[in-house]
Amino acid sequence: NAGVMQNPRHLVRRRGQEARLRCSPVKGHSHVYWYRQLPEEGLKFMVYLQKENIIDESGMPKERFSAEFPKEGPSILRIQQVVRGDSAAYFCASSPTPDGSSYNSPLHFGNGTRLTVT
Amino acid sequence: QKEVEQDPGPLSVPEGAIVSLNCTYSNSAFQYFMWYRQYSRKGPELLMYTYSSGNKEDGRFTAQVDKSSKYISLFIRDSQPSDSATYLCAMKTSYDKVIFGPGTSLSVIP
Repeated sequence: NAGVMQNPRHLVRRRGQEARLRCSPVKGHSHVYWYRQLPEEGLKFMVYLQKENIIDESGMPKERFSAEFPKEGPSILRIQQVVRGDSAAYFCASSPTPDGSSYNSPLHFGNGTRLTVT
Repeated sequence: QKEVEQDPGPLSVPEGAIVSLNCTYSNSAFQYFMWYRQYSRKGPELLMYTYSSGNKEDGRFTAQVDKSSKYISLFIRDSQPSDSATYLCAMKTSYDKVIFGPGTSLSVIP
């Protein structure tokens, strides 16, 4: 069984370019979460999506960031006009239910995309 | 005050030692408590989960929750070099997303 697949693993962008991060959840999981991780700051929630719906985007910066989870295909986190402060590891997690907190449906994480903005 | 606080370490112990990792939190609505382990360059993986005060044991790992003090702990007995990783506490209310602590980096020296 394939776990959560994220690509690319590493992404380098110059300031002002766009970054697209892709996440394929565990097969059968319809709940996707994006987190950002900075050194010594832990995982910060960004957005929670179900197929074709954004459920909670309270952690997303108001500008330049967007996310989608289409009916077909992977979830995409898009960062427009990247700045140096966007450099971080971005993790996607999926869950079979909205709960994401029990042994029956914990968050399954991918290995992240490390974005470097030069 | 941050919602979840955790000593970032790094913590270095000899092989075989007992390790104690701790988190405090401020939101009394948190009901579900988890510990995730994250190896370098990897995603976090669920290690322990509990929803009540008290102790829960799984092999060499024991999770402890004290809701009255808003304090949770993870104990690792007979620590092994393979336990070297970052340990993230996590918690959530019954209706909201999972919130993570900043993580504690642990090194177990052979």
